[in-house]
Amino acid sequence: LAKTTQPISMDSYEGQEVNITCSHNNIATNDYITWYQQFPSQGPRFIIQGYKTKVTNEVASLFIPADRKSSTLSLPRVSLSDTAVYYCLVGDRGGGIMNRDDKIIFGKGTRLHILP
Amino acid sequence: DSGVTQTPKHLITATGQRVTLRCSPRSGDLSVYWYQQSLDQGLQFLIQYYNGEERAKGNILERFSAQQFPDLHSELNLSSLELGDSALYFCASSVEGRASGGELFFGEGSRLTVL
Repeated sequence: LAKTTQPISMDSYEGQEVNITCSHNNIATNDYITWYQQFPSQGPRFIIQGYKTKVTNEVASLFIPADRKSSTLSLPRVSLSDTAVYYCLVGDRGGGIMNRDDKIIFGKGTRLHILP
Repeated sequence: DSGVTQTPKHLITATGQRVTLRCSPRSGDLSVYWYQQSLDQGLQFLIQYYNGEERAKGNILERFSAQQFPDLHSELNLSSLELGDSALYFCASSVEGRASGGELFFGEGSRLTVL
């Protein structure tokens, strides 16, 4: 799995757009980028996944440049309830041969604190 | 509701004891993953099973063991418990055996407190 680097913490204010960037210099051709959100004492929840360019859903947008060595999770108009830890993961979603060393590593994520 | 069920939700025990945490994956999911999360720490991957077989292993202590049964539920056994084993233990499931880029569905966790 490609190693990811993301900021340890970020602060923002309600109503603002928040962008969290993740670096993954060693991303492989078959790798997808996936973001999870975790609230205190809860299990992580899938937010969005993408391979290249831009992906948007009802919760967030994911921007991936052409070289795919980084990605940016964009949360539009955040509220206090968006305070959580956000994890960036990079890995192969492709079918076919099973990788027996496929450890899904979350890392420490980015702790996002939304202020009123 | 993710569809993944973990029991018990809370567990308090003493050092040296043994506990078993149980996980029922989403209907149709073949893979089960176990994670440990200590206070203010990231999620530490412990082990993954796919359709009854061990698929990947993380930093799981020798005092810990797990298995996945024919009905696909999984159990994580923690023995000779130490204070440092106090943590939230999460179970996740996925359809495929390899889901590093796919979606994992997490349970609500089992909070273990070792006194």
